[in-house]
Amino acid sequence: EAGVAQSPRYKIIEKRQSVAFWCNPISGHATLYWYQQILGQGPKLLIQFQNNGVVDDSQLPKDRFSAERLKGVDSTLKIQPAKLEDSAVYLCASTQRGSLYFGEGSWLTVV
Amino acid sequence: KQEVTQIPAALSVPEGENLVLNCSFTDSAIYNLQWFRQDPGKGLTSLLLIQSSQREQTSGRLNASLDKSSGRSTLYIAASQPGDSATYLCAVDSNDYKLSFGAGTTVTVRA
Repeated sequence: EAGVAQSPRYKIIEKRQSVAFWCNPISGHATLYWYQQILGQGPKLLIQFQNNGVVDDSQLPKDRFSAERLKGVDSTLKIQPAKLEDSAVYLCASTQRGSLYFGEGSWLTVV
Repeated sequence: KQEVTQIPAALSVPEGENLVLNCSFTDSAIYNLQWFRQDPGKGLTSLLLIQSSQREQTSGRLNASLDKSSGRSTLYIAASQPGDSATYLCAVDSNDYKLSFGAGTTVTVRA
């Protein structure tokens, strides 16, 4: 069974630039999450999708972050413009209401 | 809002010693609780999933217990090995598909 795929793995950008991360969940998983994990902290939920609908985006900084889930499968998370405090690893995860499966993460450094 | 706490933040033990990792949560109305392992530079790997109706789950040297009424879960790792060195996170699913994570316990097993 293929795992959760994320790209790019690493990205360095200057502040005020934009960046986009892509996630392909495990086939058949209806629920997809994007988490932000700052070094030394636990993951913080940014947005949760159920199929292609948004279940929870209450902690997504909507002035700069946006996310979509195309046809209930792949998802893209965009940051524009980036700030220094956005430096973190962005984790995508999927589940079918059992164990949660994470991708390797996309590591963002904003300089 | 569910709050998840993990104490201690870091733990160092000699090889062969048993590990005891603690997780506490504020709202006992949970659907399940999961324990994850995170290696440096990697995503999270699910170790054990305990449904709210269960008291414990076991996998090899790992055993996790759940006491909903007191809002606690404990992960036991028997006969620790240097390869067990990692950060261990617990996450609580609070009946609404929303996972709340603790900040993790970083374990170092000394050879």
